[in-house]
Amino acid sequence: AQSVSQHNHHVILSEAASLELGCNYSYGGTVNLFWYVQYPGQHLQLLLKYFSGDPLVKGIKGFEAEFIKSKFSFNLRKPSVQWSDTAEYFCAVNAGTSGTYKYIFGTGTRLKVLA
Amino acid sequence: DTEVTQTPKHLVMGMTNKKSLKCEQHMGHRAMYWYKQKAKKPPELMFVYSYEKLSINESVPSRFSPECPNSSLLNLHLHALQPEDSALYLCASSQDQFPDTQYFGPGTRLTVL
Repeated sequence: AQSVSQHNHHVILSEAASLELGCNYSYGGTVNLFWYVQYPGQHLQLLLKYFSGDPLVKGIKGFEAEFIKSKFSFNLRKPSVQWSDTAEYFCAVNAGTSGTYKYIFGTGTRLKVLA
Repeated sequence: DTEVTQTPKHLVMGMTNKKSLKCEQHMGHRAMYWYKQKAKKPPELMFVYSYEKLSINESVPSRFSPECPNSSLLNLHLHALQPEDSALYLCASSQDQFPDTQYFGPGTRLTVL
C-alpha cells in the first residue's frame, strides 16, 4: 500500500536555525508531491509542490524542497527559520492511476521555533 | 478568490441528531473533497466528488452521507453519529480530480456527545 513517512514528529529550533524535515513515500509510479502547512488555528495551506521538471522547488516564505527519486524522498528545507514558522507541516503524495488518484498525507511534523 | 468556506465552524450534536456540514467554493473547481482530521493526526480522505458525481468513497460508514447539489457546493449529512466521530471535518477543492493542488477550508469542529 502507498504510504508517506515523516520521521520527525516534533522539532524545536531557535530562530535563525536551519530546518530540514524529512518525507519519504512508497509508490513506484509517477507521483506528485506537496508540502502543506497548518499554522495554529488556521487551515491547511500549500507551501510548495512538485509535479515534474527541476527537482528543487521553491515555495512561499523561503521554503524549498528537493525531490530525490532514487531515495523516494521530498525533504523540506529552510535556511533560517522564524518564530512565525511555528506550525504543523504535512507532506502529501498524490499517486495512483486515472480515476483512482488519492492524496496520502504523512503524519505531520510539529515545528516550534523559539524566539 | 482562492477561498473555500465551511459552515458551521463548530457543531455539537447528540447521537440521535441529524445535522449537515456545508462547504462552498467559487473558484470554478470541479473536484471537491471531504476529509476527517483527528487531533494530532493527518487528514484522512472520506469522499471525492468530481464533476458533481461521487468518484471515491473511502469505505465511510453510512451515517455520513455526502451530497453535491452543484459544482460550488458540497454537503455532508450526519445522522446517528458516535462520540468517536468527533473530529475536524475539512473540505477541499481542486481544479480537477487528482493530480492537482487542493485548497482547504478552515474546517468544522464537530463534537458528538
